[in-house]
Amino acid sequence: DAGVIQSPRHEVTEMGQEVTLRCKPISGHDYLFWYRQTMMRGLELLIYFNNNVPIDDSGMPEDRFSAKMPNASFSTLKIQPSEPRDSAVYFCASSFLDRGGTDTQYFGPGTRLTVL
Amino acid sequence: GNSVTQMEGPVTLSEEAFLTINCTYTATGYPSLFWYVQYPGEGLQLLLKATKADDKGSNKGFEATYRKETTSFHLEKGSVQVSDSAVYFCALNTNAGKSTFGDGTTLTVKP
Repeated sequence: DAGVIQSPRHEVTEMGQEVTLRCKPISGHDYLFWYRQTMMRGLELLIYFNNNVPIDDSGMPEDRFSAKMPNASFSTLKIQPSEPRDSAVYFCASSFLDRGGTDTQYFGPGTRLTVL
Repeated sequence: GNSVTQMEGPVTLSEEAFLTINCTYTATGYPSLFWYVQYPGEGLQLLLKATKADDKGSNKGFEATYRKETTSFHLEKGSVQVSDSAVYFCALNTNAGKSTFGDGTTLTVKP
């Protein structure tokens, strides 16, 4: 398997523009997570889905952020409008619960977002 | 709620030194415990895990033992290499899909 795929790997945009980050989870995984990582705040969980349904979006910083999962193989995280403080590395991860109830998360390589 | 507390970094060691990174947790129920590693410019990847008390997870020379009595899961390696330089995250999961991560500990190994 190719692992979790994220695109783009790097994004540079100007303040006020819309940004869309994309993620393809590992086939067969039924959980999908979006994280944000910065030096100041560390790794933050933004939102996660189970079977394409959003379960917990309490980490989404504000209404400018939205996430969708239209099917089991694709998810997007959108920021509109973007602001300089959104600059970070955004990770997508996927997982499944094994027979023992253990959940190992598999992370993508991340998208490095810079908002000027 | 669940929480994970990791030893604060950064940690700097010489090659072949012994490594310990402390991790303690608070959780309801019986969590699975994990150590993830993040190399520069990459996402996190699983290093090792343990699913029940007294289990020992091991991989690439790293070990950690699930200690229920002390609610700990300390990471150890007997002889570190320069290639072990990375950020290490302790995490727990209580079967609800969502994991709780520690703040990460940066390890730098010097030749």
